[in-house]
Amino acid sequence: SQQGEEDPQALSIQEGENATMNCSYKTSINNLQWYRQNSGRGLVHLILIRSNEREKHSGRLRVTLDTSKKSSSLLITASRAADTASYFCATQGSGGSNYKLTFGKGTLLTVNP
Amino acid sequence: DSGVTQTPKHLITATGQRVTLRCSPRSGDLSVYWYQQSLDQGLQFLIQYYNGEERAKGNILERFSAQQFPDLHSELNLSSLELGDSALYFCASSVGPINYGYTFGSGTRLTVV
Repeated sequence: SQQGEEDPQALSIQEGENATMNCSYKTSINNLQWYRQNSGRGLVHLILIRSNEREKHSGRLRVTLDTSKKSSSLLITASRAADTASYFCATQGSGGSNYKLTFGKGTLLTVNP
Repeated sequence: DSGVTQTPKHLITATGQRVTLRCSPRSGDLSVYWYQQSLDQGLQFLIQYYNGEERAKGNILERFSAQQFPDLHSELNLSSLELGDSALYFCASSVGPINYGYTFGSGTRLTVV
């Protein structure tokens, strides 16, 4: 079963605009991570936010985490055509389930030049 | 190149056959994870090994098995293949048994005809 659910399923924007993707999850977590996947290729780790953190930045990426609402958002600022990809949130559960990551179904981001 | 090597990249085989997918983790990583990615199910966790031992099991069918060898490479064996087993199979690795971010391989695309 999927732990994370991304929203929207697809997002199309113009180059230079900001893109925001949301993720909701169901159970308590140790951390939440975001990955990018270019079509048919392997996933690339973007950023990790721990359950005791609320916001984290990495370059043009900003991630927020609200554990009370069990939700996270990924903001990509000043998007580029090269940002076109699928973006997945993944949760690492707390307690006995923390050996694996559970992925959502992803948001397909298209950045038009 | 992520440092995680998966072979073969593509595999086409008939129903009822058996195949072996191979993964070499990034240098220094002791944990290996196998995931299956399909359009309808998304990324499904199959199994995790840490330093040769099975650590966690997910939605892995009984027809599937895996192992991690002393040199840390891992193999995923799929037998009695069905059309529904057609998918992308990813291997990922991380430093320890408790994950703080995976490095993914580029995947093996399996087509069962």
